[in-house]
Amino acid sequence: AQSVTQLDSHVSVSEGTPVLLRCNYSSSYSPSLFWYVQHPNKGLQLLLKYTSAATLVKGINGFEAEFKKSETSFHLTKPSAHMSDAAEYFCVVIVNGGSQGNLIFGKGTKLSVKP
Amino acid sequence: DGGITQSPKYLFRKEGQNVTLSCEQNLNHDAMYWYRQDPGQGLRLIYYSQIVNDFQKGDIAEGYSVSREKKESFPLTVTSAQKNPTAFYLCASSIGLEQYFGPGTRLTVT
Repeated sequence: AQSVTQLDSHVSVSEGTPVLLRCNYSSSYSPSLFWYVQHPNKGLQLLLKYTSAATLVKGINGFEAEFKKSETSFHLTKPSAHMSDAAEYFCVVIVNGGSQGNLIFGKGTKLSVKP
Repeated sequence: DGGITQSPKYLFRKEGQNVTLSCEQNLNHDAMYWYRQDPGQGLRLIYYSQIVNDFQKGDIAEGYSVSREKKESFPLTVTSAQKNPTAFYLCASSIGLEQYFGPGTRLTVT
């Protein structure tokens, strides 16, 4: 069965410092992995995606993530946090070849950015 | 300007009443989805539809119903049988693996 675990429910950083949001997945198949961001009372916006091409994926707003098969991880990073990065972030796994394209969501990590 | 619209943004209902949430997309996507979001639980799939006039139950379909009469529209009805209907509801559509989300409807039932 496929699953995804976000290791921290809440991460707090200071503006200008690095961001690390951790995600581990479990999949019997070759996974596709996504990171979505959600600002309060808004829908989800795709940050980046991994679909079996390059293992280091660059996304919007300076975020990137590295797919590490040996560690079953897909951690999200950003070198320097900005106040506007404060939001909730979801790691998502989908099985390639799934007929319905269903996503399996992690429970989310709330990122706080202190001035 | 393509996208997904959900209306209304906030919805209030009395317990025992059915309520229908609207979801419309002009992205020409075949597949559409409804999710429920509760604090600390991520998103859970209620129903999905891969094509007009066809839909399947997701993980938490009990107390909900949907229809897919048009490609652009996928309304969700929250029935009185749903035990805890107060939540944030998100609609999405997809082409391939990537899903695109609407802005959500926050439903409060008292």
